[in-house]
Amino acid sequence: RKEVEQDPGPFNVPEGATVAFNCTYSNSASQSFFWYRQDCRKEPKLLMSVYSSGNEDGRFTAQLNRASQYISLLIRDSKLSDSATYLCVVVPWNQGGKLIFGQGTELSVKP
Amino acid sequence: GAVVSQHPSRVICKSGTSVKIECRSLDFQATTMFWYRQFPKQSLMLMATSNEGSKATYEQGVEKDKFLINHASLTLSTLTVTSAHPEDSSFYICSAALVGQVGYEQYFGPGTRLTVT
Repeated sequence: RKEVEQDPGPFNVPEGATVAFNCTYSNSASQSFFWYRQDCRKEPKLLMSVYSSGNEDGRFTAQLNRASQYISLLIRDSKLSDSATYLCVVVPWNQGGKLIFGQGTELSVKP
Repeated sequence: GAVVSQHPSRVICKSGTSVKIECRSLDFQATTMFWYRQFPKQSLMLMATSNEGSKATYEQGVEKDKFLINHASLTLSTLTVTSAHPEDSSFYICSAALVGQVGYEQYFGPGTRLTVT
């Protein structure tokens, strides 16, 4: 089983749609969680951290359920510029800051 | 925000040659840098963790004699792919962690696309 698993995608949605990405992780000793965004042939960029209480940044909402080892990202009112691959990232607490990446979910927002 | 650069951005080399990739933190000191590899349509896979002044820690399955890592200063780490073969063709990305904040705020370089012919 992979350490971090995401929806396989791709997701093709119209502008303005709401889209949700899911992610599960296997290591219960994980301490930090992030969503990154990666554009084609570019490096990943941090989108947002994920906190236990849930957190929101504009149109983006992240949720964490430690009991279920589940992370989600919700994008509301999607824009063409949201088209990218979204990477779920988990940081185990005792591995020197190593980031464990999910395989990514591709989003394509169409006009 | 913190800036990490990589050089070169793209390299094409012949099979059997060695290629050096540089990763620099431009405006902060990074005691720890990480090297990743990403094949097409796949996620980033950590290859090794590089700590300034000490030997790198390699992930399982990554050959330390093939992928030489040197972290000589707080702002520079290098990855040398020795005797490169076509299967080493990939996107190599480094990241640097701010001092005292390993595990938080990792900043990625723009990546180096290696093609071995």
